[in-house]
Amino acid sequence: TQLLEQSPQFLSIQEGENLTVYCNSSSVFSSLQWYRQEPGEGPVLLVTVVTGGEVKKLKRLTFQFGDARKDSSLHITAAQPGDTGLYLCAGDSGYSTLTFGKGTMLLVSP
Amino acid sequence: KAGVTQTPRYLIKTRGQQVTLSCSPISGHRSVSWYQQTPGQGLQFLFEYFSETQRNKGNFPGRFSGRQFSNSRSEMNVSTLELGDSALYLCASSFDQSTDTQYFGPGTRLTVL
Repeated sequence: TQLLEQSPQFLSIQEGENLTVYCNSSSVFSSLQWYRQEPGEGPVLLVTVVTGGEVKKLKRLTFQFGDARKDSSLHITAAQPGDTGLYLCAGDSGYSTLTFGKGTMLLVSP
Repeated sequence: KAGVTQTPRYLIKTRGQQVTLSCSPISGHRSVSWYQQTPGQGLQFLFEYFSETQRNKGNFPGRFSGRQFSNSRSEMNVSTLELGDSALYLCASSFDQSTDTQYFGPGTRLTVL
């Protein structure tokens, strides 16, 4: 069974702060996807990382895929209330389905 | 283009009953996957359908079943409901492979009393 561990499980910060959330596994993934889920909605894809060591930026969000393709991180700079949501990572281990982590719930207060 | 739609959005059932949930994928998408989301277990894969055939299956009991129609619309059924089946059931469509970008619907919130 492929497992993805996400940390922290819950994060509550003030607007303007920086934060990093992590997605770790003992397994190698050919690609890793990050999703954000807002209350009452389904997850929405933010980014896919494929190459070990890859860094992708999406405005204030920076995603990094570990060199060994076993872990990933998401860094948010100057968080805003609109960033509030559940952040999920999902890995493609080559078994034809995605494995999802349990997510990091982020609350950004004004 | 229209997104993934799921009906109904909310459902309340009692133990022992059965339930059918519906999902309409994005036009042109042939793969439909179903997930169960709970606070304790997160998103867990139920099954995936492609061209009316179940292509992949997660580790759920046989009470959970599904099907896909020729227009790619999909339904999932849960028989003999248990309290532990209370969850958000999410449907996701993708163009071809279930490991491609998943486009999720808003989910059906099932409560079993």
